This record gives sequence, C-alpha cells and structure tokens, in this order.
Amino acid sequence: DIVMTQSPDSLAVPLGERATINCKSSQSVLRSSNNKNYLAWYQQKSGQPPKLIIYWASARESGVPDRFSGSGSGTDFTLTISSLQAEDVAVYYCQQCSSSPLTFGQGTKVEIK
Amino acid sequence: QVQLVQSGAEVKKPGASVKVSCKVSGDTLTELPTHWVRQAPGKGLEWMGGLDLEEGEAIYAQKFQGRVSMTEDISTDTVYMELSTLKSDDTAVYYCATAPPGSSGLFFDYWGQGTLVTVSS
Repeated sequence: DIVMTQSPDSLAVPLGERATINCKSSQSVLRSSNNKNYLAWYQQKSGQPPKLIIYWASARESGVPDRFSGSGSGTDFTLTISSLQAEDVAVYYCQQCSSSPLTFGQGTKVEIK
Repeated sequence: QVQLVQSGAEVKKPGASVKVSCKVSGDTLTELPTHWVRQAPGKGLEWMGGLDLEEGEAIYAQKFQGRVSMTEDISTDTVYMELSTLKSDDTAVYYCATAPPGSSGLFFDYWGQGTLVTVSS
C-alpha cells in the first residue's frame, strides 16, 4: 500500500499570510504513460463531507479560489494557500489514486493565529 | 450537477450488519464510478472500496474483504454498501463519493452528506 504522510499535523497562520502543507508518498504516484501525478487534495470543514480542491496534483477544481494551489511531482507534493482567509479554517487531506488501495494522508488542521 | 443523498443514521449491535444507501441524481450510475469512504470520530479518511465500471464489479480494500458488499440498482440510480459482523471500531461516518466519468483518476468530486453508523451494545 502507498503510505501518505502529511506535515505538519496542524498549523496556525495569521489572516492574509501563506499556509503551506506538505504531503509525501511512499512510492511515486506519477504515471509515465500520461505524465500525470495521481494526487488530490481535499478540504474538510467541521461537520461537512470533504470537498475536492486540487486534482492531478496541480489542477484547481472549478469554483475553488485561486489562492489555493498545488505543486510537486513523484513523491513530494505541496498545497499552498497564498493568503489565508477565515473561511479556509479546515482539515486538509491529500489522497493518492495511483494504485489500489486508495490512501489518504492523516490530515493537517489549519487554524487562524 | 450531481447530487448524492444517503440514508439516515443507524445504531447497530456488535455482530450485526448495516446497509447504507446512496441515491445519485444529475447523472447515471452507469457513468459514475461510485465509492465509499469512512471516517471514525475525530479521525481521518479511509477508503473502503467502490464500483469499477471497466471491470463491472466492485473492488474492496483488503481490510474489508469478506465483510463488505457494494452493489447498485441501476433502475433507481442507487448504490448500497453493506458491512457485516460489525465491531465497535466500525463506528464512523460513511460517505459515498463519485469520481469524474471517464477519468483514469479516482479522485472524488461529489460526496454524499454522510451516514453515521454507531455500533454499541
């Protein structure tokens, strides 16, 4: 199984500042057949289901603010919130869909400092 | 716009089974890979399995093999997840979720509201 490890487990960032979350996979999630990274990011607010925000490691889902961006390739990935807003308080998860079983990171809790 | 509406909360005794439904609207089941993800209280997300449209059968995480069954009723656009031999650590919110049709990537762009299953004697 591919193990997904996120860091940090939690972070507190002042409003308007940058928040950065890292995700590392135990094996590469890049498929050479199509040069795509099978890596997604989700945002989960309290009491709600997860919401897809980034797929293919860097493609932003429709309707997601452009302050959210994803980067990385192979085994190392980053989710960046360029200017943290109050509504961004949530737990963020990375997920690999390169191979079965699909696996998620343990989550990173983002709060306002 | 795809919508997923799940059945209501359940309370079950250890050893019992539970069957959760997920009604899909806005697209047809034959086009949407539908999967199940669960979340224990205060914990992270755990993929359980889903319907592989190419193979025409369900695929399950090994952890749940032999205890889970995922089926669909195309006539009502409803998918079902049945988990048997319940234990206390099966207490969780169970989500159905769909992936983009035709995509090789199983990332989930639509989610149900979740169904809380509580296992308690």
